[in-house]
Amino acid sequence: AQSVTQLGSHVSVSEGALVLLRCNYSSSVPPYLFWYVQYPNQGLQLLLKYTSAATLVKGINGFEAEFKKSETSFHLTKPSAHMSDAAEYFCAVSPSGAGSYQLTFGKGTKLSVIP
Amino acid sequence: DTGVSQNPRHKITKRGQNVTFRCDPISEHNRLYWYRQTLGQGPEFLTYFQNEAQLEKSRLLSDRFSAERPKGSFSTLEIQRTEQGDSAMYLCASSSLGGADYGYTFGSGTRLTVV
Repeated sequence: AQSVTQLGSHVSVSEGALVLLRCNYSSSVPPYLFWYVQYPNQGLQLLLKYTSAATLVKGINGFEAEFKKSETSFHLTKPSAHMSDAAEYFCAVSPSGAGSYQLTFGKGTKLSVIP
Repeated sequence: DTGVSQNPRHKITKRGQNVTFRCDPISEHNRLYWYRQTLGQGPEFLTYFQNEAQLEKSRLLSDRFSAERPKGSFSTLEIQRTEQGDSAMYLCASSSLGGADYGYTFGSGTRLTVV
């Protein structure tokens, strides 16, 4: 079974500061990993994904994440936080391989940006 | 194409009543998924369709829940004899046959409140 653990249910940063949201995964086989963002009363939007190509993955809105197999981590970063980044962020894992379909999500980290 | 559409956006129902939600996926997507998200949690997988065939159901999908996708287009999720524990956001997503590695497109969800 696969799972993800997101450290910190709530993270606050100042506008312009580094954003670091942590995600660790558990999987018996090499997984695919994803970060999604959810704004209030909205669905989830894909930020970026790791599917066994480059370990440093760049996504939308200036976010990036690095897959570290030795640490079983896939932390999300952004060099400079913007007010519009305030949202809830979910890390998710799926089995690798063509046609894999089931995403397992973490509990989410709510990001607050302080002006 | 305007993405994945879910209706209604909000539903308040009395305990014991039946409710039905609708999801219209992206037209060229073969796969359709239903997830449930309760407060403070990440989305949890309920079921998925490939075209009109329902290929997997989570154990979370009790006998009171039924999902259909006639003709492989829109899908409905029905909950019979609703209980207060059914209160949640119900999310629909669709993807191409590539599945999770291509990334899902989520709808904005239907928020169900059972009173």
